Amino acid sequence: NAGVMQNPRHLVRRRGQEARLRCSPMKGHSHVYWYRQLPEEGLKFMVYLQKENIIDESGMPKERFSAEFPKEGPSILRIQQVVRGDSAAYFCASSPRVTLNTEAFFGQGTRLTVV
Amino acid sequence: AQKVTQAQTEISVVEKEDVTLDCVYETRDTTYYLFWYKQPPSGELVFLIRRNSFDEQNEISGRYSWNFQKSTSSFNFTITASQVVDSAVYFCALSESSNSGYALNFGKGTSLLVTP
Repeated sequence: NAGVMQNPRHLVRRRGQEARLRCSPMKGHSHVYWYRQLPEEGLKFMVYLQKENIIDESGMPKERFSAEFPKEGPSILRIQQVVRGDSAAYFCASSPRVTLNTEAFFGQGTRLTVV
Repeated sequence: AQKVTQAQTEISVVEKEDVTLDCVYETRDTTYYLFWYKQPPSGELVFLIRRNSFDEQNEISGRYSWNFQKSTSSFNFTITASQVVDSAVYFCALSESSNSGYALNFGKGTSLLVTP
């Protein structure tokens, strides 16, 4: 049973380009969370999605950032017109259901560097 | 407001010393979960423990132990006889029912360096 798969592991983009980060949840998991870890910081919640629905995007920057979790395929975190401040590690987590007692499983993260 | 506070930014110990990492949390919920994760230099997040708010029993797993005290809102983590491989950043996190999807609130982490 494969874990949460994120790709790419490392991504380099020039300022102004688009970054697409992918997250394939564990089999049977229909809930996905994205977190951002800025340098020297803890992880910050960005967005919570279920299949085809954004449930809570309160942690997402209002501009340039978007997320989706289609019926088929991985969840995508998209950052348009990247700036240096977007350089961070982006982690995805998935869980099979939403209860307080459910553990979310983390992927290995995508490290985005904007040059 | 920071819901999870890890006051120790960096700790450096010599191998075989014991070390305690502090975690203080803030919540109005009566039911919540607390977590510890390890982030080694390779960058992935390694789950260490999950504890619910109704279980204040201390837990020991090998060289690791956790002390949960609701009275002081603390969930401290002790490594006994530390080893170089314990060098990592350690994160404490809180999951509350008031968070959408029970998303985690992380502390800023404590960077532990164990030297030979």
